Amino acid sequence: GAGVSQSPRYKVAKRGQDVALRCDPISGHVSLFWYQQALGQGPEFLTYFQNEAQLDKSGLPSDRFFAERPEGSVSTLKIQRTQQEDSAVYLCASSSSWEPQSSYEQYFGPGTRLTVT
Amino acid sequence: DQQVKQNSPSLSVQEGRISILNCDYTNSMFDYFLWYKKYPAEGPTFLISISSIKDKNEDGRFTVFLNKSAKHLSLHIVPSQPGDSAVYFCAASVTSGTYKYIFGTGTRLKVLA
Repeated sequence: GAGVSQSPRYKVAKRGQDVALRCDPISGHVSLFWYQQALGQGPEFLTYFQNEAQLDKSGLPSDRFFAERPEGSVSTLKIQRTQQEDSAVYLCASSSSWEPQSSYEQYFGPGTRLTVT
Repeated sequence: DQQVKQNSPSLSVQEGRISILNCDYTNSMFDYFLWYKKYPAEGPTFLISISSIKDKNEDGRFTVFLNKSAKHLSLHIVPSQPGDSAVYFCAASVTSGTYKYIFGTGTRLKVLA
């Protein structure tokens, strides 16, 4: 079956531009997560959705970052006025758990590599 | 403050021998631990997990050991194969009311043929 897909795979943005990153989770997966992975680091949690509800956005680094999942399936991570420090791989993961219990495995997409010049 | 640490950025092992990857954590509230494997240009892939009520979990060539008193876990791969060459991430979480993984910085494993 299809896994988690993300688009675009690569994005180059000039400093100050807005970008939108898309995630298509595994069909039927209730939980969706966004992580940011800087070069040489592990993924860092950004935000979590259960269906369309954004239950945790504590990891979003600034108010320039915004995520949505309006119909409980596809999600978009938007970054406004990009800065060089936003350069990273943005990973999306989904899980079949009904409750926000991390004991259920998260399935990751291939990521979007964002480079801000 | 890094709550999950992988102090070895890289490891080289001969094919057929045992690979041991280590992970330390500081938060005693963590009660679920996972290992993910990552190839270049791909997302992390789940490998194996362990709950804090256990001290060992085995799946084929992969075994994870958990030492709660030392706040330490390790992943053993035996025998190691060239296809195991990848970056391995340790992750930890608190299962009661939370859902996010805290990842270590990864260990790059190279299995030499």
